[in-house]
Amino acid sequence: GENVEQHPSTLSVQEGDSAVIKCTYSDSASNYFPWYKQELGKRPQLIIDIRSNVGEKKDQRIAVTLNKTAKHFSLHITETQPEDSAVYFCAASPGGYQKVTFGTGTKLQVIP
Amino acid sequence: DTEVTQTPKHLVMGMTNKKSLKCEQHMGHRAMYWYKQKAKKPPELMFVYSYEKLSINESVPSRFSPECPNSSLLNLHLHALQPEDSALYLCASSQARGGSPLHFGNGTRLTVT
Repeated sequence: GENVEQHPSTLSVQEGDSAVIKCTYSDSASNYFPWYKQELGKRPQLIIDIRSNVGEKKDQRIAVTLNKTAKHFSLHITETQPEDSAVYFCAASPGGYQKVTFGTGTKLQVIP
Repeated sequence: DTEVTQTPKHLVMGMTNKKSLKCEQHMGHRAMYWYKQKAKKPPELMFVYSYEKLSINESVPSRFSPECPNSSLLNLHLHALQPEDSALYLCASSQARGGSPLHFGNGTRLTVT
């Protein structure tokens, strides 16, 4: 089955700095890569996703890049704000919609 | 505004109790999921229903029994649980096609005493 590794497990940045979270996956059949943000005590929410036919996608301060050859994808958050503080999960899905494998999570702390 | 509604928000039950968790969505999604999440861990898939039929059971113990009465509702029946089953139980839904994001409910915080 799919295995998704995520680094770092914790990340502290100053407000206004950039944050980068990296994930690798093992199954070359995976072709859908969502990122979820989970604030303390709340539900995971999709913040951005990318499909394998695209190398990069951007939505305001958030961007995701995908390198299919190396089987890794990354989340980039620019101009971080305190409200970006949360746990971020990357995930990979092999085309079918039913099985999504999550990474282990990154706890991001943005220091004002 | 949560599009997937779960009840109850919190549940405390003894090991001999029988209880049910409920989930409802009105987004027209034909895939519904139960996930279990322990503290500081990612969500862990338990069951998937596709078009009201159980399509995936991730080797979940029989003390957890899912039910999908219709395309909008998903239940999880609990019986004879163990303290280690204490966790956040998340319901999610998605379109039944590849590349569809999960829409999670706010979860039920379950404590087994």
